[in-house]
Amino acid sequence: GAVVSQHPSRVICKSGTSVKIECRSLDFQATTMFWYRQFPKQSLMLMATSNEGSKATYEQGVEKDKFLINHASLTLSTLTVTSAHPEDSSFYICSARDQIAGAITDTQYFGPGTRLTVL
Amino acid sequence: GDSVTQMEGPVTLSEEAFLTINCTYTATGYPSLFWYVQYPGEGLQLLLKATKADDKGSNKGFEATYRKETTSFHLEKGSVQVSDSAVYFCALSDTGGGNKLTFGTGTQLKVEL
Repeated sequence: GAVVSQHPSRVICKSGTSVKIECRSLDFQATTMFWYRQFPKQSLMLMATSNEGSKATYEQGVEKDKFLINHASLTLSTLTVTSAHPEDSSFYICSARDQIAGAITDTQYFGPGTRLTVL
Repeated sequence: GDSVTQMEGPVTLSEEAFLTINCTYTATGYPSLFWYVQYPGEGLQLLLKATKADDKGSNKGFEATYRKETTSFHLEKGSVQVSDSAVYFCALSDTGGGNKLTFGTGTQLKVEL
């Protein structure tokens, strides 16, 4: 259980184009999903918190107009990198929070990641 | 703010050696603690977790005990295998912080025959 998928796993695009990445919780409902960015040999940097049915909350320094997040259902969140540039090339990872009523804490389950390369 | 400090890698061990990866944390509330593992080219997988002081998380031969007095959550395994080669991340989730995860920088483990 608690499987999170991402699509695509790899994408190569030209500078100036937009790329959409999907994150799905396959066997549980997630009112909250998170989007991270990981640079080579570094830790994960939280970009934003995606809440179902409401606007995403972005971390300081993350451009919300560049990284559009939509969380239209309890099992799907999308990240769109608009007008991508080579510096946006990175490994993007999503996670979904499996909220159990009455649990002390929720656990985040991570997707396999999407490798974005902008030429 | 919250922070997690991990020992720097890479850590290189021979198969069947004992593993310890140190992790200490700073948090304002009462965090839950996690170890995640990342295999090459993949996302993170939850390895184990502990939600309160003195709890021991365990999975696949790995263990970590939540030590509030030393603010630590060291990862241990008695006998590592080549297949354990990966990057290990220590993380905390502070309920006061909206359950966001704060990660350490990760420790790369290489296990050789």
